[in-house]
Amino acid sequence: AAGVIQSPRHLIKEKRETATLKCYPIPRHDTVYWYQQGPGQDPQFLISFYEKMQSDKGSIPDRFSAQQFSDYHSELNMSSLELGDSALYFCASSDGVRGEQYFGPGTRLTVT
Amino acid sequence: GQQVMQIPQYQHVQEGEDFTTYCNSSTTLSNIQWYKQRPGGHPVFLIQLVKSGEVKKQKRLTFQFGEAKKNSSLHITATQTIDVGTYFCAGFGNEKLTFGTGTRLTIIP
Repeated sequence: AAGVIQSPRHLIKEKRETATLKCYPIPRHDTVYWYQQGPGQDPQFLISFYEKMQSDKGSIPDRFSAQQFSDYHSELNMSSLELGDSALYFCASSDGVRGEQYFGPGTRLTVT
Repeated sequence: GQQVMQIPQYQHVQEGEDFTTYCNSSTTLSNIQWYKQRPGGHPVFLIQLVKSGEVKKQKRLTFQFGEAKKNSSLHITATQTIDVGTYFCAGFGNEKLTFGTGTRLTIIP
């Protein structure tokens, strides 16, 4: 069965640079979530989209923005990167906001 | 806002011992979901409970949803090394899913 696809899998950036993470949900899933997981930490919810509209917002910094496109894929844009942004970023998708979430393999971002 | 707490935060058990993690929500939930994240992996959906007092089993794992739909538990019988990981509950209420803080299980061979 198709799973959630995230790209790139690994990304190395320098401070103050920008990064774009992409997420391709499971086909026919209309809801996408973004999480940030620091080393040894639990995943922290950033933002979610349902039918291309923002449905919920968590602890997403103002330097970050995200959107969901007409084909339901989503992109997380991160600007003015800081060392503390180094983390694993997970995308998850679900069929509606009540459904179970299926997580992608994550993008490991390293900011140097 | 809705808060979901899990205890314990960490649990170390000898292989073969039982393990239980508890999840408590500050509000009544429509459903509760459980996820497992292996070290270095991504969270994987395990199960969803919807009904008050519901109990579901998956081999050695038993999931329970409280009568008041505010708490849940996951019990593993006779743990094995494959059970290592962090177990998260996630409660759906007020139109949003809130993840618990997770219980990290380590197994001593």
